[in-house]
Amino acid sequence: DSGVTQTPKHLITATGQRVTLRCSPRSGDLSVYWYQQSLDQGLQFLIQYYNGEERAKGNILERFSAQQFPDLHSELNLSSLELGDSALYFCASSQGHSNYEQYFGPGTRLTVT
Amino acid sequence: EDKVVQSPLSLVVHEGDTVTLNCSYEVTNFRSLLWYKQEKKAPTFLFMLTSSGIEKKSGRLSSILDKKELFSILNITATQTGDSAVYLCAGTNFGNEKLTFGTGTRLTIIP
Repeated sequence: DSGVTQTPKHLITATGQRVTLRCSPRSGDLSVYWYQQSLDQGLQFLIQYYNGEERAKGNILERFSAQQFPDLHSELNLSSLELGDSALYFCASSQGHSNYEQYFGPGTRLTVT
Repeated sequence: EDKVVQSPLSLVVHEGDTVTLNCSYEVTNFRSLLWYKQEKKAPTFLFMLTSSGIEKKSGRLSSILDKKELFSILNITATQTGDSAVYLCAGTNFGNEKLTFGTGTRLTIIP
């Protein structure tokens, strides 16, 4: 158990819908990272927040957005969902903001039908 | 665009064998190379390498980085069935803080 929690575990929704994935980092960690893992694309970095501020952006679509709240939990919002958005979404946390050891949550499996 | 390539894609060996997994990278403003093990779900952190030629070791696992040739290897000796997993490496860089992952090596250990 990494100490990072993610909810929900599974999510099935229809195309065009909007969902919110939630992540709570390990105690003491200030950075939260979001990743998407699909079968054909491997693990893709989406976005990083550090202490409430966006720190780095990867291959995140405009339909996706994220934020980190004062209590350091983070939410990833996915809207206008398409079939291709079906994937495992991981959250990871680390103490610092510079790619130190990252601890991954169990992931949320999103299925878009 | 930054790129990380892992080889082989898949490896099947018998318990007790030693394996070497390869990771080559092209990362601008390279900072570090990370190795992760992914079993059923979330990746778990193994090593972070920043300096060339210094071996990092944890039990039967060890890893080394060559910054001149832009690659890293992960060695696992006396493999056990519990080592079966996908092993991921990722490059990080200074500046934009993002990680670039390879597609992984799937290691299967046969008892």
